[in-house]
Amino acid sequence: DTGVSQNPRHKITKRGQNVTFRCDPISEHNRLYWYRQTLGQGPEFLTYFQNEAQLEKSRLLSDRFSAERPKGSFSTLEIQRTEQGDSAMYLCASLGGGSRNTIYFGEGSWLTVV
Amino acid sequence: AQRVTQPEKLLSVFKGAPVELKCNYSYSGSPELFWYVQYSRQRLQLLLRHISRESIKGFTADLNKGETSFHLKKPFAQEEDSAMYYCALSGVGDDKIIFGKGTRLHILP
Repeated sequence: DTGVSQNPRHKITKRGQNVTFRCDPISEHNRLYWYRQTLGQGPEFLTYFQNEAQLEKSRLLSDRFSAERPKGSFSTLEIQRTEQGDSAMYLCASLGGGSRNTIYFGEGSWLTVV
Repeated sequence: AQRVTQPEKLLSVFKGAPVELKCNYSYSGSPELFWYVQYSRQRLQLLLRHISRESIKGFTADLNKGETSFHLKKPFAQEEDSAMYYCALSGVGDDKIIFGKGTRLHILP
C-alpha cells in the first residue's frame, strides 16, 4: 500500500470545461476527505465521506462541485463549468484504523484554469 | 466559529537556535490540536498531536487552554527542520480538521 493516491497530478483546463479528480485512499480507511489549498493558505475543508456516505459539505463547495464515493473506496471530485477562481491544489486524505484523527494526505491534484 | 491563527507567514532561525512557531485557536469546546508539516516536495503529514504529549523530531507543543494557544517549540533548530508547518484543530466527536494558513520555517546555516 503506497498511501493515498491522487490523479491526475496536474490538470490545465479552459474556463467553462468540466474536470474530474480521483482519489484512492489507503485500503480499508473508511473516512475520506477533500480539501482545497491555494497559494499562501492552509488546506480548506471541502467535504468528507464515511464509507459511501457524504457526511458534511463546506459552503466552499458550490453547486458546481460534486463529490462521490460510490463503493466506499475511491472517490471522485468533479468541478463543472470551471472558473479561474477554481485554480488550486485539491488534496485528498483518508483516515482509519486505531489512530483517531490521524489523517493521511495524498500528494494533491493541481488545477489551473486558463 | 472554529478558527486557527498562525500569525507568522515566515520564520527564519539560525541553526542551533530555539524555534517557536505560534498558533492560536478559537473553538467553543474542547478541541484536539495538531501540528502538520510539509517538507519540500513531500506530502502533508502529521507531526504531533496534543493528546499524545510526545516529542517528535525534538519538537513539542503544549496546549494552553487559558491562552487558547498551541505553540510548537524546539530547543535547537536543525537544517532539516526547514518546511511548512500547519497548526490544525478538530472538535471532539468531529473528524473534520481545520487548518491554519501555515508558517514557513527557514533554518539558516
